[in-house]
Amino acid sequence: AQTIHQWPVAEIKAVGSPLSLGCTIKGKSSPNLYWYWQATGGTLQQLFYSITVGQVESVVQLNLSASRPKDDQFILSTEKLLLSHSGFYLCASTGGAAETLYFGSGTRLTVL
Amino acid sequence: GDSVTQTEGLVTLTEGLPVMLNCTYQTIYSNPFLFWYVQHLNESPRLLLKSFTDNKRTEHQGFHATLHKSSSSFHLQKSSAQLSDSALYYCALRTQVVGQLTFGRGTRLQVYA
Repeated sequence: AQTIHQWPVAEIKAVGSPLSLGCTIKGKSSPNLYWYWQATGGTLQQLFYSITVGQVESVVQLNLSASRPKDDQFILSTEKLLLSHSGFYLCASTGGAAETLYFGSGTRLTVL
Repeated sequence: GDSVTQTEGLVTLTEGLPVMLNCTYQTIYSNPFLFWYVQHLNESPRLLLKSFTDNKRTEHQGFHATLHKSSSSFHLQKSSAQLSDSALYYCALRTQVVGQLTFGRGTRLQVYA
C-alpha cells in the first residue's frame, strides 16, 4: 500500500517570506500526484497535478508553483507569501481500483 | 465540464436519526466513478465509499450509497447517526484516469446528543 508523507506538519510564516512544502510517496511507482488547498472552513481546491517527473499542470495558481524533481516527490513553493495563502495544504496520489485518490496528512500553514 | 453538486452546506441531526447527504453530478462520460470522502476536524480527507457500477449499493462503516446513473446521483445514507459521524463530507467524481477528480463543495454534518 502506498504511503504519503508531507512535511512540515505545520508552519507559521511572515507575509513576504518564501515557502516550500514537500510530499513523498512510497509504495507506488510513477504515481499521479496532486496538491490541494483548503482555506479554514472552506472546501477543497485542486492547485496542481503531475503525471510524471518534470511535468506539472496548474489548475489554480494562487501565486504558487509546483515541481516534481523525482518520481516520488512533489514540491509546492512560493517566493513571497500572502495572507491569503493560509490554510491546509494536502498532497494526494491516486492508486487502486478506479484510481482512487488518497491524501497525505497535510501541512497547516499560517501566514501572519 | 464535469460538476458535482452537494445541495446542503450544513446538516444538523440528533443522535440516532437517519442521515442522508445529497450528491448529484453532471458529466458527458457514460462510466463515471463516484466517491465519498470524510474529513474530521484537523485531519485530512479519507475515502469512505466508492462506487462504479450502476444501481449497485456500496457500504462501509455503516454508511451506504447507490450510484444511480438515471438520476446522476450518489446520495450518502446511514440508518442511525452517531456523535462521531460529525465531520465534513465530500462527494467526488472521476471520469478519466489522469488529471482531475471533481469535488463537491462539501456538506458539514453535525450530530448532537
